[in-house]
Amino acid sequence: GNSVTQMEGPVTLSEEAFLTINCTYTATGYPSLFWYVQYPGEGLQLLLKATKADDKGSNKGFEATYRKETTSFHLEKGSVQVSDSAVYFCALLEGNRDDKIIFGKGTRLHILP
Amino acid sequence: EAGVAQSPRYKIIEKRQSVAFWCNPISGHATLYWYQQILGQGPKLLIQFQNNGVVDDSQLPKDRFSAERLKGVDSTLKIQPAKLEDSAVYLCASARGTRGTDTQYFGPGTRLTVL
Repeated sequence: GNSVTQMEGPVTLSEEAFLTINCTYTATGYPSLFWYVQYPGEGLQLLLKATKADDKGSNKGFEATYRKETTSFHLEKGSVQVSDSAVYFCALLEGNRDDKIIFGKGTRLHILP
Repeated sequence: EAGVAQSPRYKIIEKRQSVAFWCNPISGHATLYWYQQILGQGPKLLIQFQNNGVVDDSQLPKDRFSAERLKGVDSTLKIQPAKLEDSAVYLCASARGTRGTDTQYFGPGTRLTVL
């Protein structure tokens, strides 16, 4: 079945460091890919998405490129801030009748000042 | 625009008791989702409504879980009787359209602890 695998956390970085959170997926078709973020005490919110191969999603300085050849959608940010501390979820939506989002287990990110 | 509202925020019950959660989606949103998020895991879809009809309830444990969305607006999710493994955060989300790629907006969740 469809699945998402993301790097285990927690990930701890110093402020202004470069961030990469790895995400790979397994899907039978051509899924849409998402990154969601959950800040402390808040609900999940969509961070960025890409709907086809080679698309790049970006928001708030975060980027992720849909790589069909490596079935990956790694999240990157050039210079993290303390306010980026949160749990990040990679997710996919299979592009067929099964319109269900499959989430990864989440990666907790701690940014130290 | 107001976000997705959920209540209660926290609930502690003993096993075999019943519990109900309430969700008020964003006004005008056609699609409503209930997810279960067990600690250390990503959210898992339990049930999806479009307006007041069920689109997908394939992962809902129907022997103990039930959900309804009366008049295509508010929704309730009920567990009867609860088991220890039901301890989780229950998330409600809504989307304006009916396509899977429409952005889902999540509520803050209800944290359920079953003792």
